[in-house]
Amino acid sequence: GIQVEQSPPDLILQEGANSTLRCNFSDSVNNLQWFHQNPWGQLINLFYIPSGTKQNGRLSATTVATERYSLLYISSSQTTDSGVYFCAVASHGFNKFYFGSGTKLNVKP
Amino acid sequence: EPEVTQTPSHQVTQMGQEVILRCVPISNHLYFYWYRQILGQKVEFLVSFYNNEISEKSEIFDDQFSVERPDGSNFTLKIRSTKLEDSAMYFCARGGRASNQPQHFGDGTRLSIL
Repeated sequence: GIQVEQSPPDLILQEGANSTLRCNFSDSVNNLQWFHQNPWGQLINLFYIPSGTKQNGRLSATTVATERYSLLYISSSQTTDSGVYFCAVASHGFNKFYFGSGTKLNVKP
Repeated sequence: EPEVTQTPSHQVTQMGQEVILRCVPISNHLYFYWYRQILGQKVEFLVSFYNNEISEKSEIFDDQFSVERPDGSNFTLKIRSTKLEDSAMYFCARGGRASNQPQHFGDGTRLSIL
C-alpha cells in the first residue's frame, strides 16, 4: 500500500502564529484530502486537493503530485485550530484511503 | 446537513455480543467505505462497497465483520462477536460517482467493548 508520512508529529503554537504541516506519500495518487479531527473525534474535511493550490480563509493547501507531497498552511492560528490534522491519499482504482499518523496541533492563548 | 449520518454516536457493548453500526448516506452514491480508528492511532481502511458488493477489504476485516445494504439506503457494519480490541471509532464514508472524487465522512460511532 501507499506509505503516508506526516510531519511534524506534534506542534505547539502561540495564538496568532503561522504553521506549515507536511504530508509525503510514496506513490502516485488521484485523491488527496486534508482533515481536521476535532476533540469530539469528528473528521472535518478541509481540502480535496490531488494537485494544485486551494485557499479557504486562514487555511490553504498545496499538492505537488509529481514530487509526492502536500502542504497545509495555517495562518493566524486560533485556539479552535487545535486538534489532529490528517492527510489521506488514494491511488487509482477504488479509492480507499491511506491515512498518515497525523499532526497534533496545540494552539495556546 | 451532514452528507453521511451514522448511528448510534456511541455504543457500549459487552464482549462477545453482536453490534450493528449504521450509516445513511444522503445522496444516492455507489461507493461506500468503513474505516476504523483505535484511540490515539491513525484511521485504517476496513472495507469498500461498490454497487452493492464488497469491492475490497483489508486484513482487519476478518470473518467477524460483515457489511450490508439491506434496503438500498442504510449501509451497515456488523461485528458478530465483539472483542476488547474492537473498541474504536468507526467511520462510514461515501465516495462520488467516480473513484477520484472526494470522500465524505460521517461523524463516527464510538464503540466501547467492556
